[in-house]
Amino acid sequence: DTAVSQTPKYLVTQMGNDKSIKCEQNLGHDTMYWYKQDSKKFLKIMFSYNNKELIINETVPNRFSPKSPDKAHLNLHINSLELGDSAVYFCASSQVGGFVVRGRNYGYTFGSGTRLTVV
Amino acid sequence: AQSVTQPDIHITVSEGASLELRCNYSYGATPYLFWYVQSPGQGLQLLLKYFSGDTLVQGIKGFEAEFKRSQSSFNLRKPSVHWSDAAEYFCAVGAGQTGANNLFFGTGTRLTVIP
Repeated sequence: DTAVSQTPKYLVTQMGNDKSIKCEQNLGHDTMYWYKQDSKKFLKIMFSYNNKELIINETVPNRFSPKSPDKAHLNLHINSLELGDSAVYFCASSQVGGFVVRGRNYGYTFGSGTRLTVV
Repeated sequence: AQSVTQPDIHITVSEGASLELRCNYSYGATPYLFWYVQSPGQGLQLLLKYFSGDTLVQGIKGFEAEFKRSQSSFNLRKPSVHWSDAAEYFCAVGAGQTGANNLFFGTGTRLTVIP
């Protein structure tokens, strides 16, 4: 069973289109994230949701809008796609809100990524 | 502010040789440190993590890392590299105690293994 699954794995689309990437986790985690990996492999957080509530919203264009219908899902919708949006987008999840909670260690679980190519 | 530096962009080693990938971090509090590996076209797989306790951490695939607070380092090591270890390696520091966590990644080190 895949713990954090993203769909689609590959997405090729034209400039100006609107697209969505879906993410689901079956780990019972409370917090989900979107990370962007650029062409130089640099990974940077975009958004974080805790129990459907937006917690982290880094400086990303407002064309990017995360949607969390429930705590097991965090989708990423992108409007008016641009060439510079081409990247690999990773979804991730973690338990609660801290790395160490009540003596237990938690970490991240990443999805396998969605390679978005805008042409 | 948190940051992670991986000084080596690309490292080439022979199969069977030992490996050390460097990672230096900057963080004001107790760091939570991670090493991830990304094989070509694949997602991120956790190799190991350090939260507290023993500063020598064992991970999967025969990797280990040592946390040295005095040097702000968390270098990854493997005594004998296999061809299948060729991949991109990312060091990360975790920040945040409430709400949600944030992982700050280094820029990665690409490992090439030659026969």
